[in-house]
Amino acid sequence: EAQVTQNPRYLITVTGKKLTVTCSQNMNHEYMSWYRQDPGLGLRQIYYSMNVEVTDKGDVPEGYKVSRKEKRNFPLILESPSPNQTSLYFCASSSGQGASYGYTFGSGTRLTVV
Amino acid sequence: QQPVQSPQAVILREGEDAVINCSSSKALYSVHWYRQKHGEAPIFLMILLKGGEQKGHDKISASFNEKKQQSSLYLTASQLSYSGTYFCGTEAGAGGTSYGKLTFGQGTILTVHP
Repeated sequence: EAQVTQNPRYLITVTGKKLTVTCSQNMNHEYMSWYRQDPGLGLRQIYYSMNVEVTDKGDVPEGYKVSRKEKRNFPLILESPSPNQTSLYFCASSSGQGASYGYTFGSGTRLTVV
Repeated sequence: QQPVQSPQAVILREGEDAVINCSSSKALYSVHWYRQKHGEAPIFLMILLKGGEQKGHDKISASFNEKKQQSSLYLTASQLSYSGTYFCGTEAGAGGTSYGKLTFGQGTILTVHP
């Protein structure tokens, strides 16, 4: 089944403890992206990648890191999480150049930082 | 900059029609539309590329006016299953090339009652 898989689905952590949210897609998509969703603010882009080893900042990149060493994986790293990073996170992927194709989203990761 | 969606919320009876608007201050390369049910990932509905095209998907259609940098989503004869939050996503670009960055509006909550 074509899908984007995120792990974990739920995560509670403490301030300052490094964490990684994994994202993997099995559709051979070139384009991958991370979003956070907060009430009233919609989906805000954190980082995106147009291909392996090519990443760029979205609208809210502060406090996050990403890497794209393989086409299928695009992990999101929080080096020192803070409570304002408590949010619902979505990974998404699409085929083709740029973002001119519909995105397939993962099921989401609900992160709570205390 | 996030595109602006209107209205913020719509309440309908089954069988009624609705229009959701999305406008941007930037020159647009494409507009995406997604629907998200509570607690689920957004689902891709359609994409419109610059050129003023209109697309349809069952009883849901959309238009894209690139001169006004606006798109509208039309839901005809609404069904209970149409309930959810609708997001437009706008992609900037120029000269037929996408910049590869998809920015979402804040969402429109659609509720359909029997």
